[in-house]
Formats: sequence, C-alpha cells, structure tokens
Amino acid sequence: GDSVTQMEGPVTLSEEAFLTINCTYTATGYPSLFWYVQYPGEGLQLLLKATKADDKGSNKGFEATYRKETTSFHLEKGSVQVSDSAVYFCALGGNYGGATNKLIFGTGTLLAVQP
Amino acid sequence: DAGVIQSPRHEVTEMGQEVTLRCKPISGHNSLFWYRQTMMRGLELLIYFNNNVPIDDSGMPEDRFSAKMPNASFSTLKIQPSEPRDSAVYFCASTSGNIVYEQYFGPGTRLTVT
Repeated sequence: GDSVTQMEGPVTLSEEAFLTINCTYTATGYPSLFWYVQYPGEGLQLLLKATKADDKGSNKGFEATYRKETTSFHLEKGSVQVSDSAVYFCALGGNYGGATNKLIFGTGTLLAVQP
Repeated sequence: DAGVIQSPRHEVTEMGQEVTLRCKPISGHNSLFWYRQTMMRGLELLIYFNNNVPIDDSGMPEDRFSAKMPNASFSTLKIQPSEPRDSAVYFCASTSGNIVYEQYFGPGTRLTVT
C-alpha cells in the first residue's frame, strides 16, 4: 500500500545551521505531497505542499521539491532558528487513484534547535 | 475565522468509564477526520467522514470506539468502556471538497485513563 518514510529523529542542530529532513514515498497514481509541523502542545499545521512533479513548496524559509524520479520530498531550510523546534511530518494524499480521501502521514521527525 | 474546535482539552478518567470527545469542524468543510497520537504508534487515522457519512473506519481499534457525525458542524468520538491503553492525544481535523488538500487540525484532547 501507499506509505511515507521519513528519517528518524531527533535531529539536533545549532541555530543558523542548514536543515534537511528526508522523506520518500510509495504511492500509486500521482499524489500531492505535504509537510506538516507540530509545535509542542499543539495540533498539526500545514507548512507547505506540492501537487505535481517538480513543484516546489515553500513557506517560512522552508522548501521541498516534489521529485517523482526519486519519489522524494525532502524538507530543507537554510538557517534554522530556535523557534523551528517542533515535530515535522511528511504526508501524501489526494485523488491519486486510490479512491480515498485521506492523508497518509510519516512517523514524524523531531527537530531540536539549540541557541 | 475560528479553527477546528475540540473539547475537552484534557480529560482524566478511570478505567471502565465512558469518554466522549467532541469536535466542531471549520464551517463549510465537508470532510472530518479523527486521529490518535501516541509516542509508541505515532499519528493514526481512526475514522473519517465525508458529508457526515463515515467513509473509512478501518483505523478504529475495536468495538469500544464509536464515532458519529449527526450534522455538518459536530462530531463525537466515544470510548466505552475506556482502558489505560486508550491514553493518548486525540485530534480532529477537517477539510473541504472531495479532493484532499490541506487538513486543518484542532488543538487536540489529551486523554488519560487511570
């Protein structure tokens, strides 16, 4: 079945370091891809999305490019801040032929940014 | 606009008691999702509704769990009887249209069963 695999955490970085969180997927059809962020004590929030191959989603300095050839959607940020500390979830979904209407989430990656 | 509203935010109950979690989706959204989050199992989809109709309840762990959506602005998730292993954070999320775009999550209900 369709699935999402993301790198295990925690990822610990110093402020202003470069961030990459890897995400790969397995899906039939042509899913949309998402990154969600969960700050401590809160629900998930959409961070960015891409709906077709080669699209780049971006928001708040974060970027991810939909790579169909490598089935990947890696999250990157050039300079992280302490306030970026959170759990990041990669997800796939959409009307991609699976006749479903739901998102499939990865296990989440905890990012801890130290001052 | 108000986001997804969940109540209560925290619930502590004893094993064997009935627990009811409530959710009000964003006005105009026609899909609603219930998730459970634990350290051990991560984020799990329990059930989702389209236009108030349950579409996929394959994630509901067992018969002790039930969910209803009597109208477009309200849903409940009930656990009866509750067990300590049900302790988790339960999230409700909603979205619009028949094609999944972004889901909007509520703040969650932290359930502790002692």
